[in-house]
Amino acid sequence: SQQGEEDPQALSIQEGENATMNCSYKTSINNLQWYRQNSGRGLVHLILIRSNEREKHSGRLRVTLDTSKKSSSLLITASRAADTASYFCATDAFVDNYGQNFVFGPGTRLSVLP
Amino acid sequence: DAGITQSPRHKVTETGTPVTLRCHQTENHRYMYWYRQDPGHGLRLIHYSYGVKDTDKGEVSDGYSVSRSKTEDFLLTLESATSSQTSVYFCAISGRENTIYFGEGSWLTVV
Repeated sequence: SQQGEEDPQALSIQEGENATMNCSYKTSINNLQWYRQNSGRGLVHLILIRSNEREKHSGRLRVTLDTSKKSSSLLITASRAADTASYFCATDAFVDNYGQNFVFGPGTRLSVLP
Repeated sequence: DAGITQSPRHKVTETGTPVTLRCHQTENHRYMYWYRQDPGHGLRLIHYSYGVKDTDKGEVSDGYSVSRSKTEDFLLTLESATSSQTSVYFCAISGRENTIYFGEGSWLTVV
């Protein structure tokens, strides 16, 4: 089963509005990451937040993490048409002693209308 | 880009044939991953590698094998392709602070 689940599955907003996407996960984590995927392309890393952090900013992105609720949110402020993409959260999961794997949710598809 | 190249980028193959996808990195990272992406499922881990000749299974490994004879190359083989393996395959490496960098994907269609 998936560790991360994004919500909503799809979101449509007008340019200039803010977009908020949520991610819930099931087990303890070391960090949580958000990625963006444009249609037909690979995923691009946006931001990483550690389990001991509650909020992090990067440009127009704001990520929050609530470990007690096992949830995170990604806020994109003043959205632009170029923000149209799918957004994924990924959580880490240790596998034996050999390293980490990363578990992705199904993603939120964001459409920003001009 | 994080120096990850996938080949081929697009391939159509027939059911029952073997297929090998190649991932090449120039970053000298230890960890490499193969994921598949399907609608409604997000990305699912097929196999991963934590070093040369060190590989292990992921969530959806049945029907796939991997090999890593050099740090820079991680090969994914579909031993006998089936229609259910039609998907987009992404190679990834784990970099600094466990940030994952992805290749551009390989679109595979099994007919």
